[in-house]
Amino acid sequence: AQSVTQLDSQVPVFEEAPVELRCNYSSSVSVYLFWYVQYPNQGLQLLLKYLSGSTLVKGINGFEAEFNKSQTSFHLRKPSVHISDTAEYFCAAKVQGAQKLVFGQGTRLTINP
Amino acid sequence: DGGITQSPKYLFRKEGQNVTLSCEQNLNHDAMYWYRQDPGQGLRLIYYSQIVNDFQKGDIAEGYSVSREKKESFPLTVTSAQKNPTAFYLCASSIVAESYNEQFFGPGTRLTVL
Repeated sequence: AQSVTQLDSQVPVFEEAPVELRCNYSSSVSVYLFWYVQYPNQGLQLLLKYLSGSTLVKGINGFEAEFNKSQTSFHLRKPSVHISDTAEYFCAAKVQGAQKLVFGQGTRLTINP
Repeated sequence: DGGITQSPKYLFRKEGQNVTLSCEQNLNHDAMYWYRQDPGQGLRLIYYSQIVNDFQKGDIAEGYSVSREKKESFPLTVTSAQKNPTAFYLCASSIVAESYNEQFFGPGTRLTVL
């Protein structure tokens, strides 16, 4: 069965430090992969997505993610975080041809000054 | 501006009462979805609809009902049969025709049962 695992429920970092939020998926067939961000008491906003082609995907707000098929991972990175990046981040996967997105449990990113 | 609206933003309900959450989109999307969000559990799919007058159960449909009479609207009713309805509810939509199925989300409704 398809599943998405976000390995860290919370990640605290200092402002201007780099950050990596980890995501692993399990699927026996090809998948599309997404990262969403949720600011407090708001809906989700798409950060970036991997459909095919280059394994390094660039998104909004300076975030990027790398698709690694052999490790079934899609980790999200930012070289230097800002206070405004404080939010919850969700990784999601969809099997090609399916309608349903499967979400990970979320990672709460906290930026300390 | 195109987007998804949900109302109300906050909703309080007494035990034993049914309550309906509104979701409207003007993106001309065919598919619409309802998710429930609880702390530490991510998003869980309640119901989804790919076309007017048709919908399918998601992973946690028990205690919920939906209708899809218009393309723009996909209201969710939380019934008294839902044992633990306090949660944050998110509505989403997507263009069915696109295979990568990117979903756009509304701002959410926070339901509290008193």
